[in-house]
Amino acid sequence: EAQVTQNPRYLITVTGKKLTVTCSQNMNHEYMSWYRQDPGLGLRQIYYSMNVEVTDKGDVPEGYKVSRKEKRNFPLILESPSPNQTSLYFCASRGGTTSYNEQFFGPGTRLTVL
Amino acid sequence: QKEVEQDPGPLSVPEGAIVSLNCTYSNSAFQYFMWYRQYSRKGPELLMYTYSSGNKEDGRFTAQVDKSSKYISLFIRDSQPSDSATYLCAMDRTSYGKLTFGQGTILTVHP
Repeated sequence: EAQVTQNPRYLITVTGKKLTVTCSQNMNHEYMSWYRQDPGLGLRQIYYSMNVEVTDKGDVPEGYKVSRKEKRNFPLILESPSPNQTSLYFCASRGGTTSYNEQFFGPGTRLTVL
Repeated sequence: QKEVEQDPGPLSVPEGAIVSLNCTYSNSAFQYFMWYRQYSRKGPELLMYTYSSGNKEDGRFTAQVDKSSKYISLFIRDSQPSDSATYLCAMDRTSYGKLTFGQGTILTVHP
């Protein structure tokens, strides 16, 4: 089954404690992205990746890092989380340049930073 | 001013109604236009996408793009309670996935 998986699904942490949210896809997709979703703001792109070792900033990259060492994985790293990073996070993957019909989102990770 | 503005709703309609969801945008560089549906506690799922002005139909759904007016719409015919969800418009200026989303419209279809 084609899918994007994220772990953990729920996380409560404290300010300053480094954390990583993993994202993995089994469709051999080139493009992967991270989004955060906040009430009234919709989804905002954090980072995106066009292939292994190729990443670029989205609209809200501050406080986040990503890496793309393997095609299937695209982890999101919060080196020093702060309360304003409390949000619902989604990872997504897409097959190719214009293959929007092949875009899939993961189930989401709800992060609370105290 | 946000690059993409979406009617916030919420919308509440009776079953069988025609629903119109709308977004406007300010950046003429947007080339690809998408509509997503998001059920509660789920990730968004793609409903429709298009890259040209005009209409695109898929079953009960019709996506409309007017590039000259910078306006896109999604029409749902014969709406069903199962259509109750948040609908998000999204646009891409690059073709490699740098998406900008609208704020989302919550739709409720009553039996």
